[in-house]
Parts: sequence; structure tokens; C-alpha cells
Amino acid sequence: GDSVTQMEGPVTLSEEAFLTINCTYTATGYPSLFWYVQYPGEGLQLLLKATKADDKGSNKGFEATYRKETTSFHLEKGSVQVSDSAVYFCALSGRRGFGNEKLTFGTGTRLTIIP
Amino acid sequence: DTAVSQTPKYLVTQMGNDKSIKCEQNLGHDTMYWYKQDSKKFLKIMFSYNNKELIINETVPNRFSPKSPDKAHLNLHINSLELGDSAVYFCASSQVGGALYGYTFGSGTRLTVV
Repeated sequence: GDSVTQMEGPVTLSEEAFLTINCTYTATGYPSLFWYVQYPGEGLQLLLKATKADDKGSNKGFEATYRKETTSFHLEKGSVQVSDSAVYFCALSGRRGFGNEKLTFGTGTRLTIIP
Repeated sequence: DTAVSQTPKYLVTQMGNDKSIKCEQNLGHDTMYWYKQDSKKFLKIMFSYNNKELIINETVPNRFSPKSPDKAHLNLHINSLELGDSAVYFCASSQVGGALYGYTFGSGTRLTVV
């Protein structure tokens, strides 16, 4: 079945550091890939997505590129801020239509940014 | 306007009780979901409904019963609550083709069984 393997946390960085959170996946067919973010005490927010190979999703300075050859979707940001502290989830969704699609999540990576 | 709203936000109850969590979306989406987040933050799907019809039913105890009165609402009823049911429950919705358009989540309901 589908699965997502995500970099173990927690990750602690200084403000303005470069961020990479690794994510690899196993799926049949051509899934869509997502990064969701959960700020403390809040729900899940879609950060970015990519729906086909070589697509780059980007939002709020974060980027991730759908790499089919390496089955990866690593999250990057060039200069992190304290406000980026949150839990980040990589997820995939196969295309099966009519409600039969679902998100399969990685285990989440807790990111803490120190001023 | 909140896109996907869940009530209540917090729920503390005793073992053996029956409780319900309500979810409503105003996005016009056809598909709604329930996800469970455990104490280690791991998220797993429980159910999906498409236009009031149950589509996905993962291996969830029979004590959990979803109900969708219309495509904008998906409620979760839990009978005979157990300590292990303590978790955060998220409702979500998507257009048909969530894989292409993405999924919108509610803010979650933290259930604590004591």
C-alpha cells in the first residue's frame, strides 16, 4: 500500500538558517504530494502541493519538487523564521476518484526555530 | 467564514459514555473525511463520505459510527468510550479529486477520555 517516510525530528535551527525536511514515498501510479503544517494548538493547513512529476510547489518561502525518479518530495526554505516553528507533515494522495482518495501521512517533523 | 468547522473543540468525558462530534463545511465540496491524530501526532484516515455515501471505512471499531445527513455535514458518534479513544479528531473535505485540488481540514476536536 501507499506509505510516506519522513525525516525524524525534532529539528532545531537558528533563525535565518537553511531548512531541509526529507520525505520519500511509496505508491502505485502517480500520486499527488503535499506538505501540511500544524502550528501549536491549531489544525492542519495546506502548505504546498505538487500533482505531477517535476512540479514544484511553493508557498511562504517554502518549496518542494516532485521527484519521481527518487520518489521524493523534500521540503526546503532558504531562511527560516521563529514563526515557522510547527510540525510539518508530508503526505500523498492516490487518484481513485469519488471519495476513494485519501491522504496518507508521514509521521510529522517538529521544527523549532531559535532566535 | 470558517471553511470546515468542528464542534466541540474540546471534549472531556468518562469511560463508557457516548459522545458526538459535529462537522460542517461551506466550501461546496462533495467529499468529507474523519482523521484521527494520536498522541505521537500520527494521522490516519478513519472514514470518507462522498455525497452522503460511505466510501472509505478503515479498520475502525464498530463503536465509531459516522453519519452524513447531507453533503455539507459529517458527524462522528462514538459509543462506549475507552481510554484509547483519547486523540485529536480532524474533519476534512475536498472536491471530488482531492488528489488534484487538496484537502481542507477543520481545527480539530481534542477528545480526552478519563
